[in-house]
Amino acid sequence: QVQLVQSGAEVRKPGASVKVSCQASGYAFTNYGIHWVRQAPGQGLEWMGWISAYNGNTNYAQRIQGRVTMTTDTSTNTAYMDLRGLKSDDTAVYFCARDPSRLGPTIFDYWGQGTLVTVSS
Amino acid sequence: DIQMTQSPASLSASVGDTVTITCRASQAISNSLAWYQQKPGKAPNLLLYAVSGLQSGVPSRFSGSGSGTDYTLTITSLQPEDCATYYCQQYYDTPALTFGGGTTVEIK
Repeated sequence: QVQLVQSGAEVRKPGASVKVSCQASGYAFTNYGIHWVRQAPGQGLEWMGWISAYNGNTNYAQRIQGRVTMTTDTSTNTAYMDLRGLKSDDTAVYFCARDPSRLGPTIFDYWGQGTLVTVSS
Repeated sequence: DIQMTQSPASLSASVGDTVTITCRASQAISNSLAWYQQKPGKAPNLLLYAVSGLQSGVPSRFSGSGSGTDYTLTITSLQPEDCATYYCQQYYDTPALTFGGGTTVEIK
């Protein structure tokens, strides 16, 4: 069965960076895309960006472009999200999610369990 | 970016009721709309795609309709396990995907 397993909770100081991983199993990793979506405490869902595991193409939300990098390692079926210049309002649960398309962002059909990133001095 | 506005923000209904949640887009999105269910402390779960396409494993009491800018999620015969927050999401304006603000469904 399709599974996305994310790395554990992180605590960072303002200005630092964090890298969250998402290991996929149960499907052909390079046939799909991976999104990153975050949810601040008590808030709704915010799309951060997408990467094609097929060709490495990326699209990032304008709000965080310049601070985020998404990558994949096809040898380990793992996606990564690196967020730099952390601010207190980056405190959120970060989810990875699979996209059934490998060519462009569409929908999210399977989700990871979420990774809490806390930014605090 | 396309703004997605959901209403109501919350509702309370009884088991067996029919519940309707509305999602309005700030411009036409050509049926590129999905719905998700999120229970507290859990990741969201895809319910419907392309307005009315039922995701595998999702009960048939969930249905979707709409066109243009206005879309609805209907839960027929509400069950206790349907207590959750529901989000719509547009994928017409890629890559700028956007979600609605969410609708919390409580059981009376």
